[in-house]
Amino acid sequence: GESVGLHLPTLSVQEGDNSIINCAYSNSASDYFIWYKQESGKGPQFIIDIRSNMDKRQGQRVTVLLNKTVKHLSLQIAATQPGDSAVYFCAENNNAGNMLTFGGGTRLMVKP
Amino acid sequence: DADVTQTPRNRITKTGKRIMLECSQTKGHDRMYWYRQDPGLGLRLIYYSFDVKDINKGEISDGYSVSRQAQAKFSLSLESAIPNQTALYFCATSDPRQGISGYTFGSGTRLTVV
Repeated sequence: GESVGLHLPTLSVQEGDNSIINCAYSNSASDYFIWYKQESGKGPQFIIDIRSNMDKRQGQRVTVLLNKTVKHLSLQIAATQPGDSAVYFCAENNNAGNMLTFGGGTRLMVKP
Repeated sequence: DADVTQTPRNRITKTGKRIMLECSQTKGHDRMYWYRQDPGLGLRLIYYSFDVKDINKGEISDGYSVSRQAQAKFSLSLESAIPNQTALYFCATSDPRQGISGYTFGSGTRLTVV
């Protein structure tokens, strides 16, 4: 069946370095791909999304890249800060009604 | 106050008991969802509702039921709880007019079935 998955379960980076979190997806019919941040004890928080007809989108300190050829999505965080420590999920949007299909999550740990 | 409020935040219940998790929202969104999260995994959709008269099964609806009492309230019930329903449960709301960034999650209910 269709699925969204992540390559690395845990990523440890030095404060100030850039972080790259990767995601593979299999449903090429999805309209949007989204990155969420989940801190301990909280629900997922929207970070950034990208439409399927784009290959790059930038936000504040974050960039999402979409490679439809290899069905790969990545989240780049510039100058990673301790407050970026969390679990990051990619998700894809089912056009049929805002349903989201999530990947398994990557834990980002920022070392001071 | 939170836009999407879930109660209780934590609950321990015994196998076979009926339990209800509640969700209320102040965002005015028509669409509401219940997701389940297991350790190390992403969220999986249990049920969703597009308005008060609409209830739809998600990926993993077996063992669960829902009630959409009003636009602002969507409750999830476990008729006879079993240990493998131990998980973190999230309610979410959305408004398609606001795009995917308007999808809002509650803080979750941690349910333990013993």
